[in-house]
Amino acid sequence: NAGVTQTPKFRVLKTGQSMTLLCAQDMNHEYMYWYRQDPGMGLRLIHYSVGEGTTAKGEVPDGYNVSRLKKQNFLLGLESAAPSQTSVYFCASTHGLAGGLYEQYFGPGTRLTVT
Amino acid sequence: AQSVTQPDIHITVSEGASLELRCNYSYGATPYLFWYVQSPGQGLQLLLKYFSGDTLVQGIKGFEAEFKRSQSSFNLRKPSVHWSDAAEYFCAVGPRSGTYKYIFGTGTRLKVLA
Repeated sequence: NAGVTQTPKFRVLKTGQSMTLLCAQDMNHEYMYWYRQDPGMGLRLIHYSVGEGTTAKGEVPDGYNVSRLKKQNFLLGLESAAPSQTSVYFCASTHGLAGGLYEQYFGPGTRLTVT
Repeated sequence: AQSVTQPDIHITVSEGASLELRCNYSYGATPYLFWYVQSPGQGLQLLLKYFSGDTLVQGIKGFEAEFKRSQSSFNLRKPSVHWSDAAEYFCAVGPRSGTYKYIFGTGTRLKVLA
């Protein structure tokens, strides 16, 4: 099993450009997440999905959109990139247990620079 | 409010010394607790988890953690640190029924001296 994979691994954008980050998981997990990680700020949740066709906002959703058309894929879009979106982006997935959710499985990350 | 606090931003230990990384949480119910490790340029890898039962849990790479309800803590320990343990460590609380968000601490960066 590949686990959680992210495409691309690195990307440089100019301000105003758009791009889509792809997250794929092969564990049949219901729940998927997008985080950004910035120095000294830990992980901040951008958007998440509790199942195919569903999405929900996290704590820092502005400037991002997501889609979950297939259970195994979770896409993160930047419509008009800004320098403040320079960050490392992580995707994670998990499944449920009685009373909550199991541990998250993380992808290797996408390092995005917006100039 | 629900939160996870890792009081130590940086910790430096000598190789072979013991290690304890602190984690305190604020959560209404009995929490599900996790420790993750992140090596430079990598994603987060699960070290260990606590859901219920024995409050001392064993993880990978020789790590263990103890859940102390009275202190709202879930500290990570290792009796003898190896140079390869240098990384950033994150404590997290997992979502309970009806919620979906994990709460992460801001991390503790561990440096190991040879």
